[in-house]
Amino acid sequence: AQTVTQSQPEMSVQEAETVTLSCTYDTSENNYYLFWYKQPPSRQMILVIRQEAYKQQNATENRFSVNFQKAAKSFSLKISDSQLGDTAMYFCAFIDRGSTLGRLYFGRGTQLTVWP
Amino acid sequence: EPEVTQTPSHQVTQMGQEVILRCVPISNHLYFYWYRQILGQKVEFLVSFYNNEISEKSEIFDDQFSVERPDGSNFTLKIRSTKLEDSAMYFCASGQVNTEAFFGQGTRLTVV
Repeated sequence: AQTVTQSQPEMSVQEAETVTLSCTYDTSENNYYLFWYKQPPSRQMILVIRQEAYKQQNATENRFSVNFQKAAKSFSLKISDSQLGDTAMYFCAFIDRGSTLGRLYFGRGTQLTVWP
Repeated sequence: EPEVTQTPSHQVTQMGQEVILRCVPISNHLYFYWYRQILGQKVEFLVSFYNNEISEKSEIFDDQFSVERPDGSNFTLKIRSTKLEDSAMYFCASGQVNTEAFFGQGTRLTVV
């Protein structure tokens, strides 16, 4: 069974600073995707970044980057130059690429607050 | 940019009533999903749907729930005889196999 663990229920960071959100996962699969989704107060789920497990290079999307450690099954999200609009719940998620079902497994989320 | 759309954005219903939540997935996607999120809690998988049938369902998705793709574009979730604990945000998502899921903006269901 796949599990995703986010050990930080809440984080806070000052505007313009850098923050890292942690995620670990457990799977016996070797071929999978990992994602970070953002859920602002509007509660919409917005894809922030994705990482393919077979790629060694860490994914980057503007101010967002990941540190993917496959052996350690760790997938952290770094937000640089934090902005007030980054305030949201962040969910780490996993999908088994070998499955045809495409079901996402989510962590419990980390509430990030960016303060001025 | 194509997106998943859900209607209504907010539904209030009396306990015991039936509700239908509607979704229009992205047109070239083949896989459709329903997830729910009780306020302040994690996102929970309900069901996946492919090739006009359920491909996987969770333990939450009991006989009270059903899904349908009635006309080739809409994807609906029906909840029969709603209970107070069904109050949650319900998300529809769609995707191609092995790629990320794209979520709708959600339907907030309140059972009173």
